[in-house]
Amino acid sequence: GENVEQHPSTLSVQEGDSAVIKCTYSDSASNYFPWYKQELGKGPQLIIDIRSNVGEKKDQRIAVTLNKTAKHFSLHITETQPEDSAVYFCSLNTGFQKLVFGTGTRLLVSP
Amino acid sequence: DVKVTQSSRYLVKRTGEKVFLECVQDMDHENMFWYRQDPGLGLRLIYFSYDVKMKEKGDIPEGYSVSREKKERFSLILESASTNQTSMYLCASSLSGGRTEAFFGQGTRLTVV
Repeated sequence: GENVEQHPSTLSVQEGDSAVIKCTYSDSASNYFPWYKQELGKGPQLIIDIRSNVGEKKDQRIAVTLNKTAKHFSLHITETQPEDSAVYFCSLNTGFQKLVFGTGTRLLVSP
Repeated sequence: DVKVTQSSRYLVKRTGEKVFLECVQDMDHENMFWYRQDPGLGLRLIYFSYDVKMKEKGDIPEGYSVSREKKERFSLILESASTNQTSMYLCASSLSGGRTEAFFGQGTRLTVV
């Protein structure tokens, strides 16, 4: 199936710093790229998504960029806060309405 | 508030047992999914269903089957549980269309001993 590579696997930052998570993929037919946040003991929740006709999207402290030519997309979190600590997954649609996920990034924001 | 409910948070089963994991959604979604989550491997798709009685294999279907008799309910079946099926299982649902948000349940942590 489609392979999505996600880096880094862990990321430690100080409160107020920025955090960047990157994903690469191979299926050029993918046109939907959501990001999910999973807090301890909970299922993943959508935090932001981007469609293939857009290069960048922002929602307050969170932004996502997409480079379809290079087949990579990134999540940017600015002014990180301790409550941003969680596991983040990139994903994309492939085949028949399926979502494929990256391996996850554990973000730790220290006060 | 939208909801995907998995029947158990924690399960302990013995090797060789037949195991049923149940998932119910109240959003009238067409699509339902079962994922398995393991450290370092992310979420891997086991099976998904795009309509009642319809199912498609995901990336790791071996040792699993599914059932969808009603739109709101999607069951994952481990025909003969093995220790390598010890994992976190996540159910999700979404509207049809391929570019819509997936809503997840809280997960079932299954331990096979």
